[in-house]
Amino acid sequence: KAGVTQTPRYLIKTRGQQVTLSCSPISGHRSVSWYQQTPGQGLQFLFEYFSETQRNKGNFPGRFSGRQFSNSRSEMNVSTLELGDSALYLCASSLTGGEVQFFGPGTRLTVL
Amino acid sequence: GESVGLHLPTLSVQEGDNSIINCAYSNSASDYFIWYKQESGKGPQFIIDIRSNMDKRQGQRVTVLLNKTVKHLSLQIAATQPGDSAVYFCAEPKAAGNKLTFGGGTRVLVKP
Repeated sequence: KAGVTQTPRYLIKTRGQQVTLSCSPISGHRSVSWYQQTPGQGLQFLFEYFSETQRNKGNFPGRFSGRQFSNSRSEMNVSTLELGDSALYLCASSLTGGEVQFFGPGTRLTVL
Repeated sequence: GESVGLHLPTLSVQEGDNSIINCAYSNSASDYFIWYKQESGKGPQFIIDIRSNMDKRQGQRVTVLLNKTVKHLSLQIAATQPGDSAVYFCAEPKAAGNKLTFGGGTRVLVKP
């Protein structure tokens, strides 16, 4: 069974731009969660989607948003990029939630 | 507030020795914990999990111990190998199960 895939793997953007990251969960997994990882803050939860609905949300500004499609694939969007948004963005999937989450390789976003 | 944290930021271990990574949690109602391993440039990889109705769980070369009295868990790696060099996180699902809260991480360095 293929693992969680994320595209693109690397991105370079400038301040003020917006970016969209994509995540394909493990086949059959309906829950997709997003995390931001930085050296200073560690791994922080962004949000979780299940059946195309946002079920949980972390403490991030409204510039961070996401969505989930009927095939469980998910995207997250960051608008008006700031230097501090430079991070590794990780997507994780699980069957329905509450079980182990399996992570993708991440998208490394650099904001200049 | 609620938190899951690690005692040691870096653990240096001789190849072939056993490694012990510790994690403390603050919520006595916590009932499920997960250990992840993250190698450089990769997403976190599931190692082992444990529920609060267990004190110990064993996998391949890894053992997790849970002490609910002092709210502490540990990950033991037997016969540590160079491939075990990574950052190890303990994590706890919250908010209906799918918001993972991560500890700060412990870096394990295996000396040949």
